[in-house]
Amino acid sequence: DAKTTQPNSMESNEEEPVHLPCNHSTISGTDYIHWYRQLPSQGPEYVIHGLTSNVNNRMASLAIAEDRKSSTLILHRATLRDAAVYYCIRQGNFNKFYFGSGTKLNVKP
Amino acid sequence: DTEVTQTPKHLVMGMTNKKSLKCEQHMGHRAMYWYKQKAKKPPELMFVYSYEKLSINESVPSRFSPECPNSSLLNLHLHALQPEDSALYLCASSQGAMNTEAFFGQGTRLTVV
Repeated sequence: DAKTTQPNSMESNEEEPVHLPCNHSTISGTDYIHWYRQLPSQGPEYVIHGLTSNVNNRMASLAIAEDRKSSTLILHRATLRDAAVYYCIRQGNFNKFYFGSGTKLNVKP
Repeated sequence: DTEVTQTPKHLVMGMTNKKSLKCEQHMGHRAMYWYKQKAKKPPELMFVYSYEKLSINESVPSRFSPECPNSSLLNLHLHALQPEDSALYLCASSQGAMNTEAFFGQGTRLTVV
């Protein structure tokens, strides 16, 4: 989705927090923001989603800007198993999930 | 059971062959999807089925023909493909409401020779 942009790659140290940004400046008022991650040779795996408010679950936190033009996925303590490509996704009308460009996260021991 | 099962895992086909990809879920989900993913690129939406009816076709060439025989099954029929159609084909399902997550299968790695 050309309207959803992410940095190509990021690096983190193990046990440290990671903040993965996403810009979705043309998002509509009813589009949900999802985050998924994908390991090599696997299908994408759900991480978290939200509409306007910040969200927390056992895997991560999602911080959504007040104007909804950007969001940040927060992994509180990165582990080696968190190394993956993270996709920011816009969920639009008619159940369409549009993937952003993806950020490859490298976690250093 | 929160799995989406895709078969086969790998498929090699010639440009004149006809083959089918299969996808199955038993979560009672009413929306099912096909995505195409090229190497080092994000998945691209191809088709969306809602309540067993095709609701979205993202201008996919007619050599790809989806079918939803029942609420648990989704097929993708392939005919006269080109080498550039080689990719990972992902199936997904969701409850169909806006505020719900999608579950993805592991994909079928397709090679067209």
